[in-house]
Amino acid sequence: AQSVTQLGSHVSVSEGALVLLRCNYSSSVPPYLFWYVQYPNQGLQLLLKYTTGATLVKGINGFEAEFKKSETSFHLTKPSAHMSDAAEYFCAVTNYGGSQGNLIFGKGTKLSVKP
Amino acid sequence: GAVVSQHPSWVICKSGTSVKIECRSLDFQATTMFWYRQFPKQSLMLMATSNEGSKATYEQGVEKDKFLINHASLTLSTLTVTSAHPEDSSFYICSAYWTSGLRSYEQYFGPGTRLTVT
Repeated sequence: AQSVTQLGSHVSVSEGALVLLRCNYSSSVPPYLFWYVQYPNQGLQLLLKYTTGATLVKGINGFEAEFKKSETSFHLTKPSAHMSDAAEYFCAVTNYGGSQGNLIFGKGTKLSVKP
Repeated sequence: GAVVSQHPSWVICKSGTSVKIECRSLDFQATTMFWYRQFPKQSLMLMATSNEGSKATYEQGVEKDKFLINHASLTLSTLTVTSAHPEDSSFYICSAYWTSGLRSYEQYFGPGTRLTVT
């Protein structure tokens, strides 16, 4: 079975500071990993994804994440936070080996950005 | 990019009535659509997987007779909440899975529907 753990339900940073949102996964097969962002009362927007290949993945809005198999982690970072980054962030995992794309989501991390 | 729409974006209904939520893929054909439910300040929980022309597959604990899913075409899936009760109040989000020869590995999410049952 697959699972995702997001450390910290709420992260607060100052504008211009580094953003680090943590995600650890559990999977018995090579995982495909995703980060999504959700603004209030909206659906999910894909930030970035890792499937195969390069372990450092760059996404939209200046975010990036690094897949570390040895640590079973896929932490999301952004060098400099912007006020518009305040939102809920979800890490998700799936294994497309035999499935149709079911995503297993973490509980989410709410990012607050202080001026 | 691929766009998924949901209608309505919010709905208020009385207890005991039924509500239909539509999920449409606007610019692609979705072989599979997913329905999620999200309670306030919680994560998304998969309710069911629907494939065009076949019966939906429900996750454990989801009442299939209460949450009727119809995937009538490659661009439309509907979720009907039958005999709604206040505990059914939630944010319902659909997503569409797109394959085009090579697997896409990505779901495209709709904007969600806020259901409030009074």
